[in-house]
Amino acid sequence: AQSVSQHNHHVILSEAASLELGCNYSYGGTVNLFWYVQYPGQHLQLLLKYFSGDPLVKGIKGFEAEFIKSKFSFNLRKPSVQWSDTAEYFCAVRAGSARQLTFGSGTQLTVLP
Amino acid sequence: NAGVTQTPKFQVLKTGQSMTLQCAQDMNHEYMSWYRQDPGMGLRLIHYSVGAGITDQGEVPNGYNVSRSTTEDFPLRLLSAAPSQTSVYFCASSTSSSGELFFGEGSRLTVL
Repeated sequence: AQSVSQHNHHVILSEAASLELGCNYSYGGTVNLFWYVQYPGQHLQLLLKYFSGDPLVKGIKGFEAEFIKSKFSFNLRKPSVQWSDTAEYFCAVRAGSARQLTFGSGTQLTVLP
Repeated sequence: NAGVTQTPKFQVLKTGQSMTLQCAQDMNHEYMSWYRQDPGMGLRLIHYSVGAGITDQGEVPNGYNVSRSTTEDFPLRLLSAAPSQTSVYFCASSTSSSGELFFGEGSRLTVL
């Protein structure tokens, strides 16, 4: 079964710092990749997704992610974080023809004003 | 559009009690699923359904039952609640092609 690893459990940054959150998955075939965000007290919302084509995908609120197939990675980036980016971020993978998504354990991002 | 609606938002149960978490979506999505969210463990799939009358187990199905009699509804039943089922539960749905999940607002369940 596929698995998703998010190695950073808690990241603390100051406003305007750059962000990179790691995501690695274990599946050798075709994948669809997602990043979701969960703001405090809210449900998960889609930040961005990769299905095919350009491996650099752009999402909402200035976030982007790069799919590196050789490294089985889909890291999330943002050049300059804001206090309002404080949230938990989840990477998720859909493997092959499966319908279900497998989620990583999440990374809590705290941005200090 | 309402999207994915879950009820109740909060529930406290005693060990051994039963209850049903309701989930309804108005987007005509074929796929529906239930996840539980626990600190440090992300979201784990409990059960899912690819259409009316079809359900299957996810990663952590024990202690939970589901049914899918209509496209819109996908209730999750706890037959005999245990403290280990204290969690936040999310229902989610998607179309057959996108894979993108749309989540409900969650149901926080505490089992004493």
